[in-house]
Amino acid sequence: QQQVKQSPQSLIVQKGGIPIINCAYENTAFDYFPWYQQFPGKGPALLIAIRPDVSEKKEGRFTISFNKSAKQFSLHIMDSQPGDSATYFCAARLWGGADGLTFGKGTHLIIQP
Amino acid sequence: ETGVTQSPTHLIKTRGQQVTLRCSSQSGHNTVSWYQQALGQGPQFIFQYYREEENGRGNFPPRFSGLQFPNYSSELNVNALELDDSALYLCASSLAGIGYTFGSGTRLTVV
Repeated sequence: QQQVKQSPQSLIVQKGGIPIINCAYENTAFDYFPWYQQFPGKGPALLIAIRPDVSEKKEGRFTISFNKSAKQFSLHIMDSQPGDSATYFCAARLWGGADGLTFGKGTHLIIQP
Repeated sequence: ETGVTQSPTHLIKTRGQQVTLRCSSQSGHNTVSWYQQALGQGPQFIFQYYREEENGRGNFPPRFSGLQFPNYSSELNVNALELDDSALYLCASSLAGIGYTFGSGTRLTVV
């Protein structure tokens, strides 16, 4: 019930392409959905987050699409660059926030020059 | 505005020992949560502190314990270390459960 399923596990995209990472959840009590970027040896860095009452949110080159009825959300990276190569995690927070964040297993993204 | 800082960055302990990890919250944040990240996995929620009280806990045994101080800094204590406790331990601070900001973590190796 509290799982967040993330796919694909790994992804290779050419520079300038649009990588898309997908996440799905079951628990409708999740009310906050952030995406994190993590480089080796570093902690996760918040990229962008969305609430379930919004279907799309853009911040710079990053876009979240949210489908509440399907219980799915995805991250799109526009004009991808080699510097975007990292591991990306989706996460979800239960209403109230006392249970912290539930993370997906991550997507290892490589942007080829 | 300072971010979340964690210390130490790396630590090696022997099985059965105890360890204390430390975290300073981002300025203005009143909630601290701790996560365990095994190699190649997503972070797993350990527990969360708000107003110096534990207000949420993940699926971790009681030998994982913590504290939050009046300045919102926090400690994670792990007793009777096991080999499987080897991981990256992450601290995150937030304001009322929004905008979780993570530190760079403490890499714990249990031998």
